[in-house]
Amino acid sequence: KQEVTQIPAALSVPEGENLVLNCSFTDSAIYNLQWFRQDPGKGLTSLLLIQSSQREQTSGRLNASLDKSSGRSTLYIAASQPGDSATYLCAVRYQGGSEKLVFGKGTKLTVNP
Amino acid sequence: GAVVSQHPSRVICKSGTSVKIECRSLDFQATTMFWYRQFPKQSLMLMATSNEGSKATYEQGVEKDKFLINHASLTLSTLTVTSAHPEDSSFYICSASPQQGFNYGYTFGSGTRLTVV
Repeated sequence: KQEVTQIPAALSVPEGENLVLNCSFTDSAIYNLQWFRQDPGKGLTSLLLIQSSQREQTSGRLNASLDKSSGRSTLYIAASQPGDSATYLCAVRYQGGSEKLVFGKGTKLTVNP
Repeated sequence: GAVVSQHPSRVICKSGTSVKIECRSLDFQATTMFWYRQFPKQSLMLMATSNEGSKATYEQGVEKDKFLINHASLTLSTLTVTSAHPEDSSFYICSASPQQGFNYGYTFGSGTRLTVV
């Protein structure tokens, strides 16, 4: 079964700390992996998209890595800020003909001032 | 960048009534749109794939007569929750990709909070 798992489910850090969110997927046959941010009661904001042929993508203080062979991706947030507090979702587009994304349950991040 | 607009953001309806949610791609055409449902503290679950000009494809366990999807144009898909009941209360969100093909990411709407009383 094609699944996506995110660990930890929740994370609380002091402002300024660097942190890593983890995502694992069960099948290495993927097209791409996408990290999203979701604020309470809101939609999803795309943060980074990594193609299956790529190892990492960077945007500002965010860096996402992809290790397809081990079925893992990490989202690194540098110098965290209270405004980074949100739920971070990892989604995988598996190969096999479907266009749909398979989502993890997310990591709820709280950055304390 | 690609923008997906969803309306309404919140709706409260009485049990037994129907509710329509709209999903629009504002600056691109989308032959395919996706409808997700999210329960509290849970991840997004795909309900159906909306195809412009043809019938939607529903995921296993999703009642197609309950959740009517219409994708009448390249920029608009609608989800109608028919004869809504309290258990239909949830967060519904749509998405689309500005490009076709397997190498592109998805843009999501802002979601609709449905409360059935």
